[in-house]
Amino acid sequence: NAGVTQTPKFQVLKTGQSMTLQCAQDMNHEYMSWYRQDPGMGLRLIHYSVGAGITDQGEVPNGYNVSRSTTEDFPLRLLSAAPSQTSVYFCASGGTGGKTGELFFGEGSRLTVL
Amino acid sequence: AQSVTQLGSHVSVSEGALVLLRCNYSSSVPPYLFWYVQYPNQGLQLLLKYTTGATLVKGINGFEAEFKKSETSFHLTKPSAHMSDAAEYFCAVSDWSGNQFYFGTGTSLTVIP
Repeated sequence: NAGVTQTPKFQVLKTGQSMTLQCAQDMNHEYMSWYRQDPGMGLRLIHYSVGAGITDQGEVPNGYNVSRSTTEDFPLRLLSAAPSQTSVYFCASGGTGGKTGELFFGEGSRLTVL
Repeated sequence: AQSVTQLGSHVSVSEGALVLLRCNYSSSVPPYLFWYVQYPNQGLQLLLKYTTGATLVKGINGFEAEFKKSETSFHLTKPSAHMSDAAEYFCAVSDWSGNQFYFGTGTSLTVIP
């Protein structure tokens, strides 16, 4: 039972490079989201989606793009990486978001931008 | 936007002692409240949640939390700490739509043998 799968687990980028963090879930969840976790700041919501074709911004969306073409996948794109984007990124999915309360998290992707 | 405050970024307790992790939230309407646990190098797992109904909620691994609207608090407790409880704990609140979650900064729990 895979749950939420994130790739890659580790990535080092140079400033200005682009990359995509992949997230896939096999639980048929409508709700998917991306968070970044930084020391002393907890988790902050970047973007979320309530279904295929529907995305919306969270608390810290600048510098990130998302799309949701299928129920299963929710990639996060960094178009021009900056050192401030060095963080651990988590993808999470849920049946109906907070109304069920249970978000299922991936194991995280650790990104370093030099 | 809502906010969540966790008092104490680090808490140490002896094995067998009471665990108390504090969480206060700011909200103008009754929110949905959660506690999540994160073990090293892993994602977060739901411990317990309050949505409606009984204000004392029980979760996994013997943890429970009480929603106190008058104090805007949702403190997490466990009567007797176990070594396996050592982890990072996050309090979270979602907005009325259930689509946006706001997490506290986390409390790292150390259990001393």
